[in-house]
Amino acid sequence: SQTIHQWPATLVQPVGSPLSLECTVEGTSNPNLYWYRQAAGRGLQLLFYSVGIGQISSEVPQNLSASRPQDRQFILSSKKLLLSDSGFYLCARGGGLRDTQYFGPGTRLTVL
Amino acid sequence: AQTVTQSQPEMSVQEAETVTLSCTYDTSESDYYLFWYKQPPSRQMILVIRQEAYKQQNATENRFSVNFQKAAKSFSLKISDSQLGDAAMYFCAYPGGSNYKLTFGKGTLLTVNP
Repeated sequence: SQTIHQWPATLVQPVGSPLSLECTVEGTSNPNLYWYRQAAGRGLQLLFYSVGIGQISSEVPQNLSASRPQDRQFILSSKKLLLSDSGFYLCARGGGLRDTQYFGPGTRLTVL
Repeated sequence: AQTVTQSQPEMSVQEAETVTLSCTYDTSESDYYLFWYKQPPSRQMILVIRQEAYKQQNATENRFSVNFQKAAKSFSLKISDSQLGDAAMYFCAYPGGSNYKLTFGKGTLLTVNP
């Protein structure tokens, strides 16, 4: 199974509030996990990448952070949201020159 | 830096006809995968088709097929017998970025006219 769950599906938050987005995957052990963000009408920007529990790589400096407390769980967080954090957040699993990435259904975040 | 270029921001096709979306990419690798993803209005990223670079044969998935030209680094997607449900943004992607992130093209918005 390539099932990837993301929660919540939609979120509206005020500027300065905290954030926690959750991604869980099924059917595989020790997957590579990714957080991407897509602004309206734009392509995907990689935010974080993880090869295992507690191992996080950040692609872009920002006020977001990620954690991987369990093998199949990947969390995106912020202590204080900015307007520019609005977008569509996608979690993905799998990665490599000869591997396929599959995406979750995404979370639509609006910061007001 | 890895680059993926989709030169057609928008395309339209009549229902039941065929359309081809273009993609070129840059890499120094010899063995890799290439992907086309579809993003409908729901915005979920759905894998359409995958091409393995070491295979001569072009990949096919039902009405979707690719024209893979390795030497030219070209990877186009052909949609046959287009259906209204094919209307979406289509992204070409190459997994050669840092940390094997997917590098995406800017996308082609496909409209299917009834």
